[in-house]
Amino acid sequence: DAMVIQNPRYQVTQFGKPVTLSCSQTLNHNVMYWYQQKSSQAPKLLFHYYDKDFNNEADTPDNFQSRRPNTSFCFLDIRSPGLGDAAMYLCATSRAREGTDTQYFGPGTRLTVL
Amino acid sequence: AQSVAQPEDQVNVAEGNPLTVKCTYSVSGNPYLFWYVQYPNRGLQFLLKYITGDNLVKGSYGFEAEFNKSQTSFHLKKPSALVSDSALYFCAVRDYSGNTPLVFGKGTRLSVIA
Repeated sequence: DAMVIQNPRYQVTQFGKPVTLSCSQTLNHNVMYWYQQKSSQAPKLLFHYYDKDFNNEADTPDNFQSRRPNTSFCFLDIRSPGLGDAAMYLCATSRAREGTDTQYFGPGTRLTVL
Repeated sequence: AQSVAQPEDQVNVAEGNPLTVKCTYSVSGNPYLFWYVQYPNRGLQFLLKYITGDNLVKGSYGFEAEFNKSQTSFHLKKPSALVSDSALYFCAVRDYSGNTPLVFGKGTRLSVIA
């Protein structure tokens, strides 16, 4: 089945220690998104790639970076995690950026910062 | 700016009874509306969407939603609730252009009691 995969499902890091979260997709979608979700709140969009074009949300902290080396993979890098960055991180994909396009989500990575 | 309101933090319903999870929206122009469900420690699963056409949209797992333009609502419904429907439900809206992000409501927790 075509799907969105996130690894690891659970990640523990120390305060200030860089961490990378991974997302891959077999849907061959053009757009990949990263969301942050805290405590059953609404997901908050951090940024997205449309093909190789990176689009950052205005309020995303500089501490968060992303890479998309190819169509299938996208990474979220947190350069110096703080306690406030503990959250569920969700990757999503869509075929295009049209308003009608459905976003399909991966299972998420829960990040704990000690 | 587009926005979504889910007025109920929690909805409780007895198994076998009909359920409704409410959603109202605000956009300039025509809206594209989505419902997602999230089970504990999982990503968001797409249920259904309204793009155009018939106001009653049928989706996965027996769910349906009714688009009401005059009331700017898109309530999620199911004729007979199951205990396994207990989860967090998110309504989301995007405007016709697709250049704006998908905006989520704060979520409604549904509890179906046996």
